[in-house]
Amino acid sequence: KAGVTQTPRYLIKTRGQQVTLSCSPISGHRSVSWYQQTPGQGLQFLFEYFSETQRNKGNFPGRFSGRQFSNSRSEMNVSTLELGDSALYLCASSLEGTGNQWQFFGPGTRLTVL
Amino acid sequence: DAKTTQPPSMDCAEGRAANLPCNHSTISGNEYVYWYRQIHSQGPQYIIHGLKNNETNEMASLIITEDRKSSTLILPHATLRDTAVYYCIVRRYSGAGSYQLTFGKGTKLSVIP
Repeated sequence: KAGVTQTPRYLIKTRGQQVTLSCSPISGHRSVSWYQQTPGQGLQFLFEYFSETQRNKGNFPGRFSGRQFSNSRSEMNVSTLELGDSALYLCASSLEGTGNQWQFFGPGTRLTVL
Repeated sequence: DAKTTQPPSMDCAEGRAANLPCNHSTISGNEYVYWYRQIHSQGPQYIIHGLKNNETNEMASLIITEDRKSSTLILPHATLRDTAVYYCIVRRYSGAGSYQLTFGKGTKLSVIP
């Protein structure tokens, strides 16, 4: 099976712009989670989607949003970019969100905001 | 949240066993312990998880104490490719069928030739 794929792998934007990142989960996986990783804050949970519905959300401002499509692919959007949004954005998928299922992570999208 | 405590860094000689400890004294009875590792700038890689019993797979062994307040990840024969940050995580139920991974700072394992 192909792993979790994320596009693009690298992105450079300027302050005030918006960005959309894409994640394709492992075939058959219905749960997709997004994480932000920065040197200062480490890995932080953004949100989780399951069957096209957001069912969990971390402590991020409303500028961060996401959605999931019927084929389980997911996108996250960041509007009005700030310098502090520069980070590695990671997507993870799992069969479903049960306690005995582990998440598979993609390689991430490296976003740089200038 | 069931928080975890790990040493910030450890060294291990190549070919020797690496034993990475983790404290999770506030873990609930139905919460699993997960271990992931992250090699520089790559996505975290799942290693192993367990609830009560010790677990072993092709990558590692997980030893969980009887009171479940701590665990140890064992890499039996560490290689240079095992140099990474290792995260011990208690997977928390967040409601509505959702489980969340809360990453701490992890342990930076350096395997020395």
